[in-house]
Amino acid sequence: GENVEQHPSTLSVQEGDSAVIKCTYSDSASNYFPWYKQELGKRPQLIIDIRSNVGEKKDQRIAVTLNKTAKHFSLHITETQPEDSAVYFCAASVTQGAQKLVFGQGTRLTINP
Amino acid sequence: DTAVSQTPKYLVTQMGNDKSIKCEQNLGHDTMYWYKQDSKKFLKIMFSYNNKELIINETVPNRFSPKSPDKAHLNLHINSLELGDSAVYFCASSQGPAPQYFGPGTRLTVT
Repeated sequence: GENVEQHPSTLSVQEGDSAVIKCTYSDSASNYFPWYKQELGKRPQLIIDIRSNVGEKKDQRIAVTLNKTAKHFSLHITETQPEDSAVYFCAASVTQGAQKLVFGQGTRLTINP
Repeated sequence: DTAVSQTPKYLVTQMGNDKSIKCEQNLGHDTMYWYKQDSKKFLKIMFSYNNKELIINETVPNRFSPKSPDKAHLNLHINSLELGDSAVYFCASSQGPAPQYFGPGTRLTVT
């Protein structure tokens, strides 16, 4: 079945610098890749997503890139701010009857002021 | 305006008891989900319903039984609770292929 690996598990960056989180997936049929942000004690929030027919997508300070050949996708956060501190999850869709998501293990991002 | 709500927020109970968690969404979405987040923060799908029909039923013990009385509600009943059931349970809804909005979570602690 689908396996999603996410790296790094923890990431610490200085405020204002960029952060990059990478995920790889195993199922070449996966066609939808969302990213979620979960602040401490809160619910996961969908922050950006990308479909397999697109190579890059941006939304203000966040962007996601997808390399279908290599089966990896990345989240890029520029000009980081303290409120970006959270756990970030990548996910990849897999169709087994119905479509479902397989999540990565999460990356705890800390922005140092 | 709460998009996805679930009750209770906290649930502390003893092993062997039966408990229920309720979820409601007011977004008009067709699909609802139950996810389990363990102590290591790993998120795993348990069930998914589309228009009251069960479409995803992961390898979950049959002590867990979801019920969707209508497309705005999805409840989770758990029989004979075990220590390993302790986790945060999230309800979610979507109109597309993946959960768009999560509920606030129910932290279940089994003692």
